[in-house]
Amino acid sequence: GEQVEQLPSSLIVQEGASVLINCSYTDSASVYFPWYKQEPGKRLQFIIDIRSNMERKQNQRLTLLFDKKTKHLSLHITATQPGDSAIYFCSAFDRGSALGRLHFGAGTQLIVIP
Amino acid sequence: DMKVTQMPRYLIKRMGENVLLECGQDMSHETMYWYRQDPGLGLQLIYISYDVDSNSEGDIPKGYRVSRKKREHFSLILDSAKTNQTSVYFCASSSRDRGRDTQYFGPGTRLLVL
Repeated sequence: GEQVEQLPSSLIVQEGASVLINCSYTDSASVYFPWYKQEPGKRLQFIIDIRSNMERKQNQRLTLLFDKKTKHLSLHITATQPGDSAIYFCSAFDRGSALGRLHFGAGTQLIVIP
Repeated sequence: DMKVTQMPRYLIKRMGENVLLECGQDMSHETMYWYRQDPGLGLQLIYISYDVDSNSEGDIPKGYRVSRKKREHFSLILDSAKTNQTSVYFCASSSRDRGRDTQYFGPGTRLLVL
């Protein structure tokens, strides 16, 4: 089945820095890749997504890059703020089964120091 | 306002006791999910429900069962809880919309089994 891996597992940066979170998947049948953010003690919240027919998507300070050939995604966050401190999850939508499901990576914990 | 709710938010049980976790959503989503989240493991899928009385096992169904008698409600039941079921449990719901599968998450239930 689909396997989603994220690197790094944790990041500590100074406020204002840019960060890059990498994600790879294994199943070429995956077609849709939503990302979620989980602030400490809170629920997961959708932040950005990309479909397999796109290479790049931007939402304010977030840029998501997708390489179908290498089965790799990267989330770039610019001008980080303390409010960006959270766990970030990459996921892949598996259309292999009749109705599909999301497979999640283990998460990247980002800490932004003021 | 789209919402997924979970009850209770915190629960302490003794090993061998039965546990009932409840989830509700007000978006008429067909699909609902139960996950557990453990440090370093990300989100692990326990069960998916595609609609009323249409449930499928996820990756770690052992020790759990579910019930969905109304589209808005999805219950997770632990018969005779074990200490290794101590975790944070998240419910989510989604609607297949133009190939997207954005999931909306509840706030989580922290379960401690002693």
